[in-house]
Order: sequence, then structure tokens, then C-alpha cells
Amino acid sequence: DVKVTQSSRYLVKRTGEKVFLECVQDMDHENMFWYRQDPGLGLRLIYFSYDVKMKEKGDIPEGYSVSREKKERFSLILESASTNQTSMYLCASSLRGPVYEQYFGPGTRLTVT
Amino acid sequence: GQQVMQIPQYQHVQEGEDFTTYCNSSTTLSNIQWYKQRPGGHPVFLIQLVKSGEVKKQKRLTFQFGEAKKNSSLHITATQTTDVGTYFCAGKGGGTSYGKLTFGQGTILTVHP
Repeated sequence: DVKVTQSSRYLVKRTGEKVFLECVQDMDHENMFWYRQDPGLGLRLIYFSYDVKMKEKGDIPEGYSVSREKKERFSLILESASTNQTSMYLCASSLRGPVYEQYFGPGTRLTVT
Repeated sequence: GQQVMQIPQYQHVQEGEDFTTYCNSSTTLSNIQWYKQRPGGHPVFLIQLVKSGEVKKQKRLTFQFGEAKKNSSLHITATQTTDVGTYFCAGKGGGTSYGKLTFGQGTILTVHP
């Protein structure tokens, strides 16, 4: 079974702090994704990566950056957390190509106070 | 950019009633995927449709892809309490690469016993 793990289920940070969210997958998937999920807005793509050190902006990249130094690990960075970044963050991975499903991690609920 | 709209946002049914959620894209899709997210859980892949007019069934669930490949639906016959959750469609446009998906807002289904 594919397993996608995320470093924390719940996280509370203060405004202005730098925040790191880590995601690890164990199935050698080329693609990895970061989404945020907010009520009524569905899943919105922040960034995705199709290979080590490669990344592309998603639909809402502002205020975020990412890092992929190893194939199995994809990090989301909030350089200076703001209250409007309070959300559920979901990581996903998939094989490369248009016809493969995405496997999601359990999510990190981030609260910025 | 590509937009995927999903309706309704909420649906409350009595156990045994049928349920349908609809998904419409602003552009032609190369394929569409459906995911289910149980309360407190993460999205889990259900199915993928690729061909124009395609219909697929999984027990009480019927998935359709429109002839123009711009819309899709999920129909559940005789709902059960185990069907509770949020159902998302996710489409891939022909011009996007590496398996990037655009998710709809989701339909939250509640089933009253």
C-alpha cells in the first residue's frame, strides 16, 4: 500500500513565524503535491513537484515556497505565517503521467494566531 | 485558468434515497477522477473516466463522463450511512502536464438513518 505521511496532524504557530510542513511518501512516486482545503473552496493546489529539485506553481502559491531535495520528501514552507494561512494542508503523491490517481496524506491542520 | 464547478455544495438525504453530484469544467478535460473524503479523513481515489460518454459502475455508484468531456456526474443508488462524506471531482485539462488536477469544491453528503 502507498503510504503518505505528514509531519504533524495539528500545528499552532504565531503570526510572522516561519513554518515547515513535511511530507514523505514511500512508493517512489515522481509527482508530489501540496493543497490547502478550506470549507466551500475544495482542494486548491499550492505547488507541485514532478521530480527532485523541480517545482511548479499551482493556483495559490503566494506566501508559500517548497523544497524537494529527495524524491520521497516534499516540504511546504510558510516564510512568514499569517492568519489567512490557517487551514488544512494536504500532501499527495502520484506516479508521473496523466492517468494516475493521487494518494493523500492525513493532513496537517495549521492554526496561525 | 481551468475551473471545475461542482454542485450541490450540500446534500441531505434519508437512508435509501438516491444522490447525485454534478461536475462542470470550463474547458475540455482529458480525464476526470472522483475522490471520497470521509469526515475527519483524507481524500481517497474512487475512479477515473477517460473516454467521451464513458459510464462506469462500482456497486451502487454510477459515474458518467459527458460526450463533450466537460462534465461528469456521480450517482449513488439507495444511499447508506456509510456513504457519508465529501465527494470531489478532479479534472485534468489537455494542456496541463505531469498529472496536475483541478478539484471541484466538493459535495458534502449527509445520510439520515
